[in-house]
Amino acid sequence: SQKIEQNSEALNIQEGKTATLTCNYTNYSPAYLQWYRQDPGRGPVFLLLIRENEKEKRKERLKVTFDTTLKQSLFHITASQPADSATYLCALLLRAGNNRKLIWGLGTSLAVNP
Amino acid sequence: DGGITQSPKYLFRKEGQNVTLSCEQNLNHDAMYWYRQDPGQGLRLIYYSQIVNDFQKGDIAEGYSVSREKKESFPLTVTSAQKNPTAFYLCASSIGPRGTGVKTGELFFGEGSRLTVL
Repeated sequence: SQKIEQNSEALNIQEGKTATLTCNYTNYSPAYLQWYRQDPGRGPVFLLLIRENEKEKRKERLKVTFDTTLKQSLFHITASQPADSATYLCALLLRAGNNRKLIWGLGTSLAVNP
Repeated sequence: DGGITQSPKYLFRKEGQNVTLSCEQNLNHDAMYWYRQDPGQGLRLIYYSQIVNDFQKGDIAEGYSVSREKKESFPLTVTSAQKNPTAFYLCASSIGPRGTGVKTGELFFGEGSRLTVL
C-alpha cells in the first residue's frame, strides 16, 4: 500500500541545537515534496518545496534534503529557537497527467526548550 | 494584506442540522480546496475547485457540498448526511488552474473552522 510516514513521537531538543525531522514514503514517485508548519488550532503554513531532481534546498535556518532512492526527506532547523516549536507536516505532490494530488503525513511535533 | 479568511472559527451544531463554513480569498488564486483534519489522520481532501463554476470531489466528499460562484469564495456545507462531522476544517488556495505554468501545488491555508456536533 502507499503511505507516507513522519516521526510519530514528539521531538524535544534544546535551544540552539539542530532539529532533524524525517519523512519517509513508499510506493510513490512524487514530483515534489513540501514542508509546512502548523501551530495549534491554526492552518498550516508553507515553508519549503523540493523537486524530485533536487538533492537539497535551503532557506535561512531551514534545510531540506530529498533522496528519491531512499524515498526519504529530511527537514533540518539549525540554531533552533523556542519559537520553532510547532508541528511540521510533509506532503508529497503526485502527478497524474494534468492532475495533481497532495498526500499528507501526520506531522511531527517539535518542542524546543529554552 | 492578502490571505484566506475562514469563518466562523468555532461552530456548534445539533445533529440533523446543515451548517455552512465560509472561505474567502483575495489572493486572486484560481484553485481552492477544503480539507478536514482529525487527530491521528493526515489532511484529507473533501472538495476542490480549479476554476469558477467547477468543482470536483476529493477523497471524502460524502455528506458535504460546495459551490464556486465567485473566484474569491468557496463555501462548504456540512450536511446532516455526514456521519461524523466533528473536525477541524481547513480551506486553502493555490495559484493556477490545471494546465497552467505553476505546477508546484504550494497551498495557502486559512486559520480553520472547528465544528463540534452536540
